[in-house]
Amino acid sequence: DTAVSQTPKYLVTQMGNDKSIKCEQNLGHDTMYWYKQDSKKFLKIMFSYNNKELIINETVPNRFSPKSPDKAHLNLHINSLELGDSAVYFCASSLLWGREGYTFGSGTRLTVV
Amino acid sequence: GDSVTQMEGPVTLSEEAFLTINCTYTATGYPSLFWYVQYPGEGLQLLLKATKADDKGSNKGFEATYRKETTSFHLEKGSVQVSDSAVYFCALSETGGSQGNLIFGKGTKLSVKP
Repeated sequence: DTAVSQTPKYLVTQMGNDKSIKCEQNLGHDTMYWYKQDSKKFLKIMFSYNNKELIINETVPNRFSPKSPDKAHLNLHINSLELGDSAVYFCASSLLWGREGYTFGSGTRLTVV
Repeated sequence: GDSVTQMEGPVTLSEEAFLTINCTYTATGYPSLFWYVQYPGEGLQLLLKATKADDKGSNKGFEATYRKETTSFHLEKGSVQVSDSAVYFCALSETGGSQGNLIFGKGTKLSVKP
């Protein structure tokens, strides 16, 4: 199936831990994104990569670091997790600078305890 | 910067009722406009899109028309079903310096009762 797949779907971890979320797309898209959805369903972009280069880096804490080994993968590493990092994180990909829309992954629900 | 404003929810309707969810935007340039739907526990799915003024996007009985003069992209459906219960997001694709950045509205939760 052609899709954006991210793992894990659920992640429960303690404060202070370091964790990673992986994302892969097989759609041949050239841009990938990470979005954060808070408890009120508000979606905010965190990072964007185009052909392995960071093109958007919104004001997120530097504990969050995206890594793109190739244009089909965009992983999100989070260091020293805090309670406020609990949210759903969505990976997405697009062509044409997103003018035709994004394809989203199914999300990773991160709970920090 | 660019922004999207959509009507606050939640919206509760009876089955077969008419649905309108208002969406207005502020943008420089000529953004593409989208409606996304998020069913409970799932990711976002593209519902419909319009890439230029006066375009009408449609899918699964939903429609929205890109109105440049009123900077609006209202979502409509003539007869909703229980299965349409979800959160609906209006979004635009930025142009200019943050090209490619998809800006979302805050979402409108729709509940349809049988």
